[in-house]
Amino acid sequence: KNEVEQSPQNLTAQEGEFITINCSYSVGISALHWLQQHPGGGIVSLFMLSSGKKKHGRLIATINIQEKHSSLHITASHPRDSAVYICAEGGSQGNLIFGKGTKLSVKP
Amino acid sequence: NAGVTQTPKFQVLKTGQSMTLQCAQDMNHEYMSWYRQDPGMGLRLIHYSVGAGITDQGEVPNGYNVSRSTTEDFPLRLLSAAPSQTSVYFCASSGGLAGGGIQYFGAGTRLSVL
Repeated sequence: KNEVEQSPQNLTAQEGEFITINCSYSVGISALHWLQQHPGGGIVSLFMLSSGKKKHGRLIATINIQEKHSSLHITASHPRDSAVYICAEGGSQGNLIFGKGTKLSVKP
Repeated sequence: NAGVTQTPKFQVLKTGQSMTLQCAQDMNHEYMSWYRQDPGMGLRLIHYSVGAGITDQGEVPNGYNVSRSTTEDFPLRLLSAAPSQTSVYFCASSGGLAGGGIQYFGAGTRLSVL
């Protein structure tokens, strides 16, 4: 069974800061997902990646298959980025194994 | 498009009662899943389906039953509710690689078992 670990558990940043959230997993995977859970509870998928790097707006996700590690970066952070960010391993079929999440708070 | 619709949003049950959590998607997705979310535990996979008529167990399947008779619907049945099943339940669907692997989540069902 794959273990998915995230760090840090909690992160507080000032508006405008560059943020990095890390995710590591124990065995080889087909793909890694990054998701965002809003304070109201809704979950939104941000990225699925199996190699390299993806970018969407101020969000960048990278993955290093050899090191079994992925990072989510947020550039020019804003209070509206405050949320729980979750990584999960698994393919596109939806049988995912999740990390416990990183709670991000961005202060104005 | 409604996306993924879960009903009900909230439910209170007594120990031993049975109920069905409904999940429907209107995106013609092959893949659907049920997860539960508990404080400090993260999301955990209960059951999933790769198409109509095909289901499989996830990490925490005990006490839950599923079926997938149509592409659109994937109900989750609690056979005899226990306090340990108090949780927030999320249904998700995906179009697979054709859809970029993006998972679409319902808004969740908050269940309390007394």
